[in-house]
Amino acid sequence: EVQLVESGGGLVQPGGSLRLSCAASGFTFSSYWMSWVRQAPGKGLEWVANIKQDGSEKYYVDSVKGRFTISRDNAKNSLYLQMNSLRAEDTAVYYCARHTPTGTTHYYFDYWGQGTLVTVSS
Amino acid sequence: DIQMTQSPSSVSASVGDRVTITCRASQGISSWLAWYQQKPGKAPKLLIYAASSLQSGVPSRFSGSGSGTDFTLTISSLQPEDFATYYCQQANSFPVTFGGGTKVEIK
Repeated sequence: EVQLVESGGGLVQPGGSLRLSCAASGFTFSSYWMSWVRQAPGKGLEWVANIKQDGSEKYYVDSVKGRFTISRDNAKNSLYLQMNSLRAEDTAVYYCARHTPTGTTHYYFDYWGQGTLVTVSS
Repeated sequence: DIQMTQSPSSVSASVGDRVTITCRASQGISSWLAWYQQKPGKAPKLLIYAASSLQSGVPSRFSGSGSGTDFTLTISSLQPEDFATYYCQQANSFPVTFGGGTKVEIK
């Protein structure tokens, strides 16, 4: 059974940092692109970042470029999101999600974690 | 970025009703469209991909259609477990973007 379990969320002050983790199991983690997708309270879904199977390619939504860094450790079946210079508008539930094996350019998300809440507030 | 517009934003329906949700893309996306179901406090679940392909394990009462800019998700006979919020997502170009959601409520 595919499982994705996020951790690391919490309350942080504006300008602070947080590192999210996602532990994957039930599939060959190193064979899949992975993404982080977030959802602000009561709002819709927003893709944040993704990373290629071997970590050689990474992409970000414009609003987090230069502040967030996605990474992975295939030996530990884990995905990470380092979030720096956090802003109030980064407050959201952050989900890790597995890409469908439909290629690099065109993809959907076939498995999601339960999410971890990040609250940026003073 | 491609903007995805869903309508209606909410719909009230009864068990057994046929429900149709629409998603419109700001530019053509071929058939690169998915539909997700999200229940309160839960992660989204993939229902339909490539506009009309049913994800494994999803009941056949869910169906998708469309291409280009206009797409629909149809629930042929609404069941109690289908009350949720539904999102479309375009996979045609970077970055992938989602619609604003359609909440299906009990009438």
